[in-house]
Amino acid sequence: DGGITQSPKYLFRKEGQNVTLSCEQNLNHDAMYWYRQDPGQGLRLIYYSQIVNDFQKGDIAEGYSVSREKKESFPLTVTSAQKNPTAFYLCASTIPPDTQYFGPGTRLTVL
Amino acid sequence: AQSVTQPDIHITVSEGASLELRCNYSYGATPYLFWYVQSPGQGLQLLLKYFSGDTLVQGIKGFEAEFKRSQSSFNLRKPSVHWSDAAEYFCAVDAGGTSYGKLTFGQGTILTVHP
Repeated sequence: DGGITQSPKYLFRKEGQNVTLSCEQNLNHDAMYWYRQDPGQGLRLIYYSQIVNDFQKGDIAEGYSVSREKKESFPLTVTSAQKNPTAFYLCASTIPPDTQYFGPGTRLTVL
Repeated sequence: AQSVTQPDIHITVSEGASLELRCNYSYGATPYLFWYVQSPGQGLQLLLKYFSGDTLVQGIKGFEAEFKRSQSSFNLRKPSVHWSDAAEYFCAVDAGGTSYGKLTFGQGTILTVHP
């Protein structure tokens, strides 16, 4: 079955620690996206990539980093510079401007 | 700045009642419009989308939405709500142009369904 997978489902981070969230798709989509979701704020775009080896900052990129070495993979690193990382993180992919397909999400909690 | 507004944070309806969720956007040209649904702790699922053509679009689960250019709105409707429709609903817009493929989301509307 084609789809998007995210791992882990739950992740806990200690102060000062970097953590990496995984996002993989087998839909052969060119573009991939990372969103952050907080209650009452909808989804906000962190980073996006329209082709391999290229990515752009979204609206809230500070404290995050990404890479796009393979078409199928778009990992997100939450660095220690992100002061309030507790949130639900969603990955999506598409062939623009068609529907974005979303993964099941990763819930990150800072201990 | 471009924006998407869902004026209703929380809506409660009785099962079997009709439903309308509002969405307004502020963009210069006609954007690409989407409605997504999210169950707690899950990803988003597409209900329907509008790119061009007929302004009344049909989606999954009995939902429909109407694009009204004059009102910059894309409201979601359902004639008879089922208890399983309880979820959070998001309107999203792709402005096209240099924003091609980037979605801007509304704040979401939480739907509660009473038996």
